Amino acid sequence: DIQMTQSPSSVSASVGDRVTITCRASQGISGWLAWYQQKPGKAPNLLIYAASSLQSGVPSRFSGSGSGTDFTLTISSLQPEDFATYYCQQANSFPFTFGPGTKVDIK
Amino acid sequence: QVTLKESGPALVKPTQTLTLTCTFSGFSLSTSAMRVSWIRQPPGKALEWLARIDWDDDKFYSTSLRTRLTISKDTSKDQVVLTMTNMDPVDTATYYCAGGSGTHFDYWGQGTLVTVSS
Repeated sequence: DIQMTQSPSSVSASVGDRVTITCRASQGISGWLAWYQQKPGKAPNLLIYAASSLQSGVPSRFSGSGSGTDFTLTISSLQPEDFATYYCQQANSFPFTFGPGTKVDIK
Repeated sequence: QVTLKESGPALVKPTQTLTLTCTFSGFSLSTSAMRVSWIRQPPGKALEWLARIDWDDDKFYSTSLRTRLTISKDTSKDQVVLTMTNMDPVDTATYYCAGGSGTHFDYWGQGTLVTVSS
């Protein structure tokens, strides 16, 4: 199985900050990576797919990049509604696997 | 508008079999490229993908849970069913169904919490 790691595990930031989250795969996954946002008590919400494609309806302050084993999710200017946990997911091969999550909270 | 909703027991006893149903609308699993997965999340922990069924009835399973899981679909009812045998307290989690046409999960149900306890 492909193992996914994320760093940092948590980050404290202020409104307006630029936040970058890193996801690493244990083997190359080309561009088969998605990012999700999850708020407490809610289902995850797709933000980015194919490493850098913005899901319809998702604000443009979210962006993704990377290929192979290293990927990043960037929030260009953090908004109050962005405080949540973020997960990466590899879709290169079965079984699909998620990262452990990165919690973004208020500084 | 695409919606998915999970249903099933909130409480199961250890060793019992769990049966969960995902009822969806806004798409058909007989349409090429459509897929539905099950994903779970223990309280306070990360997401774990369990299984997927495709429009052409291809099925894929978690490596570690493969022997305990069965996924099936009823296209006429717009439902996907997941069964998990030999339930254990470590299987306590919120179980989500999620769908889409790619390898990512565009649409999610609200989730259903299943507690395993005697």
